[in-house]
Amino acid sequence: AQKVTQAQTEISVVEKEDVTLDCVYETRDTTYYLFWYKQPPSGELVFLIRRNSFDEQNEISGRYSWNFQKSTSSFNFTITASQVVDSAVYFCALSPPMNSGYSTLTFGKGTMLLVSP
Amino acid sequence: SAVISQKPSRDICQRGTSLTIQCQVDSQVTMMFWYRQQPGQSLTLIATANQGSEATYESGFVIDKFPISRPNLTFSTLTVSNMSPEDSSIYLCSVEEREGIDTQYFGPGTRLTVL
Repeated sequence: AQKVTQAQTEISVVEKEDVTLDCVYETRDTTYYLFWYKQPPSGELVFLIRRNSFDEQNEISGRYSWNFQKSTSSFNFTITASQVVDSAVYFCALSPPMNSGYSTLTFGKGTMLLVSP
Repeated sequence: SAVISQKPSRDICQRGTSLTIQCQVDSQVTMMFWYRQQPGQSLTLIATANQGSEATYESGFVIDKFPISRPNLTFSTLTVSNMSPEDSSIYLCSVEEREGIDTQYFGPGTRLTVL
């Protein structure tokens, strides 16, 4: 069975601080995909990143960066110089490999990030 | 990525009534999914809708309560039947776009309140 744990329920920071959102996963698949989604107060779910299990290279996109470590089954998300617009619930998710037919996403419980001015 | 719209965006309904939520995509997609997000909770998959076949429901969800239609490759509906306050949730549809590696993109959601 697949499982995603986001131990941080809520994080509060002041603007311009860096913040890291933790994600730990469990799976028996040797190949899998990891995702991060952002859900602002308006409710829509915004795709941020997809990572293949065979690609452990860290990724940076503007103020966002992701640290994937297979050895610790973690896929952490860092926001540098946070802004008020980053306030949202962030979900980490896991899906099985492509040849399973389709991607069944298993979501973590989410981390609510509050960035104050 | 595909542009996904949902109608209605929100609704307030009376107990015992039914509501049909529409999901429209601007391109043809094979797989469409329906999720429920109860207040303060994570997303739970209700069912997978493949065009031309019966929807596949996850454990805990049944067709009588959540009938789904998928008449073509760009459209799907989810009905929440005989509603109770426990059905108050955000309902989201998603589509799987194959860009070489599959990713699910989500619609804006339908915020449902049952009184």
